[in-house]
Amino acid sequence: EAGVTQFPSHSVIEKGQTVTLRCDPISGHDNLYWYRRVMGKEIKFLLHFVKESKQDESGMPNNRFLAERTGGTYSTLKVQPAELEDSGVYFCASSRLDTYGYTFGSGTRLTVV
Amino acid sequence: QQQVKQSPQSLIVQKGGISIINCAYENTAFDYFPWYQQFPGKGPALLIAIRPDVSEKKEGRFTISFNKSAKQFSLHIMDSQPGDSATYFCAATTGNQFYFGTGTSLTVIP
Repeated sequence: EAGVTQFPSHSVIEKGQTVTLRCDPISGHDNLYWYRRVMGKEIKFLLHFVKESKQDESGMPNNRFLAERTGGTYSTLKVQPAELEDSGVYFCASSRLDTYGYTFGSGTRLTVV
Repeated sequence: QQQVKQSPQSLIVQKGGISIINCAYENTAFDYFPWYQQFPGKGPALLIAIRPDVSEKKEGRFTISFNKSAKQFSLHIMDSQPGDSATYFCAATTGNQFYFGTGTSLTVIP
């Protein structure tokens, strides 16, 4: 089966600009998660979708971050306006409803300059 | 507050040696403890996982040791190989979000 696909793989933007990250989960995986790793730190939870509904968005840093999951398929994470501290690697992961096991994408490395 | 603490930050091991990475947690409600392996440019991949009702799980050269009373768990890589060089993350969950450690960069020297 195809894995979790994320793009772009890298993005360099200036402070104040907008960036949209996309994640295509594995087909049939109703759970979709966004995580972020800031350099040298732990991978931190951002939010969790079950199908198209936000199940938990307690990890979203602030209202500059907006996540959507259209029709329960792919998801986007928009950062607007971007700040320097938003730099990091953003991971998407998906899983079936009946399993704890995640499959991660390769991540998007976001650099805000 | 970090829910899962991982050590060491980096580890260098000779080929054929044993690599040991340790993690500790506080939340006794955690009921699933996976280890993830990440190679450069790739996402973390599930390596092995354990539930708290067992003290050890072995899959090939990889073993998780789990100490419920001490709230600690560790990954042991036996006969370490250069191909094992990667970043390893421990994690814990109650079923929703995962809480990850800060990662251990393992280098296996030929």
